[in-house]
Amino acid sequence: GAVVSQHPSRVICKSGTSVKIECRSLDFQATTMFWYRQFPKKSLMLMATSNEGSKATYEQGVEKDKFLINHASLTLSTLTVTSAHPEDSSFYICSARDPGTVEPEAFFGQGTRLTVV
Amino acid sequence: GDSVTQMEGPVTLSEEACLTINCTYTATGYPSLFWYVQYPGEGLQLLLKATKADDKGSNKGFEATYRKETTSFHLEKGSVQVSDSAVYFCALSEFQGAQKLVFGQGTRLTINP
Repeated sequence: GAVVSQHPSRVICKSGTSVKIECRSLDFQATTMFWYRQFPKKSLMLMATSNEGSKATYEQGVEKDKFLINHASLTLSTLTVTSAHPEDSSFYICSARDPGTVEPEAFFGQGTRLTVV
Repeated sequence: GDSVTQMEGPVTLSEEACLTINCTYTATGYPSLFWYVQYPGEGLQLLLKATKADDKGSNKGFEATYRKETTSFHLEKGSVQVSDSAVYFCALSEFQGAQKLVFGQGTRLTINP
């Protein structure tokens, strides 16, 4: 199947700093990528839809100024957690679907464990 | 809106036991249905899928059948292994080619030797 790579896999940062997480589609071009957040022992919550060349679409309750999304190329979307606080600590996962196939499934990155201290 | 409801966990079984994880869904159209698996500290991997009614998805000994009449997609395996220990998510996507997934709560499965 298609490969989605996420980096870094783990990051620890100080309160007040910003952290950038990258999501790349390695063997296909993704006009749309999705960013999810997963709380401990909980399901995945869709945060936003990243659209190549245009603004991201955020889900209700997600602060767009807090979670900046940039999708500048067909293979890369970035999520920047700005002015991070301990409550932003979580597992963040991106996904994308290969539009070059008729298969409906999405492929996920490995996830990024963010810890804000 | 669309929703997915999964059997509450955690589930603990002995090796070689039979497994069923229930999943039901609510959708306005004709969704594609998926089971994803998440191993500790990792992202999600597609386990199996079904795109229309009565389709059976299967992989690694796991099976699930798309039942439109009961709006269900239960995950089954006849003989589980320790390596099957993971969190399992049932999910749907509403339209053909759509990419946004709606997830169930996840079910943590632990298999003891």
